[in-house]
Amino acid sequence: EVQLVESGGGLVQPGRSLKLSCVASGFTFSNYGMNWIRQAPGKGLEWVAYISSGSSYIYYAETVKGRFTISRDNAKNTLYLQMTSLRSEDTALYYCARRGVAPFDYWGQGVMVTVSS
Amino acid sequence: DIQMTQSPASLSASLEEIVTITCKASQGIDDYLSWYQQKPGKSPQLLIYDATSLADGVPSRFSGSRSGTQYSLKISRPQVDDSGIYYCLQSYSTPFTFGSGTKLEIK
Repeated sequence: EVQLVESGGGLVQPGRSLKLSCVASGFTFSNYGMNWIRQAPGKGLEWVAYISSGSSYIYYAETVKGRFTISRDNAKNTLYLQMTSLRSEDTALYYCARRGVAPFDYWGQGVMVTVSS
Repeated sequence: DIQMTQSPASLSASLEEIVTITCKASQGIDDYLSWYQQKPGKSPQLLIYDATSLADGVPSRFSGSRSGTQYSLKISRPQVDDSGIYYCLQSYSTPFTFGSGTKLEIK
């Protein structure tokens, strides 16, 4: 069974940093591209970042480019999102999702990030 | 960026109706279009990918189609359990962009 479990969220002050993790199981993690997608409270879905299976290709939404860094450790079956210079508008539920037959064929349960003073 | 214009924003339907949700892409996306269902407090779930392919385990009452740059999700004889918010997504080019969502209530 494919499982994606995010962690690392919490309350953080504006301008500070936070690192999210997503641990994968039930599939060969190193064979799949991965994504981060976020959802602000009561709002729609926003794609954040993508990383290919071997980390050769990385793409970001303009809203996070230069502040967020997506990375992965295939030996640990773990995806990361390093978030710096956080703003109130980054407050959201952050999901990791696998790129399989579809861009996001499996999703984690999400981890909440709240940016507030 | 490719814009996805999704409609309607909300709708209510009965068990005997056919429900149709549409997404119009601002340019051609070569069928790189997927549909997702999100229930309250839950993660989105994949329904349709590549515009018309049904994801594993998704009931056959869900189907996808295309006409030009307009993509449609159809639910035939919806069930109460199909209530939720539906999103389309284009993955033709980054940034990947979602439609604004359709809130569906099945009475």
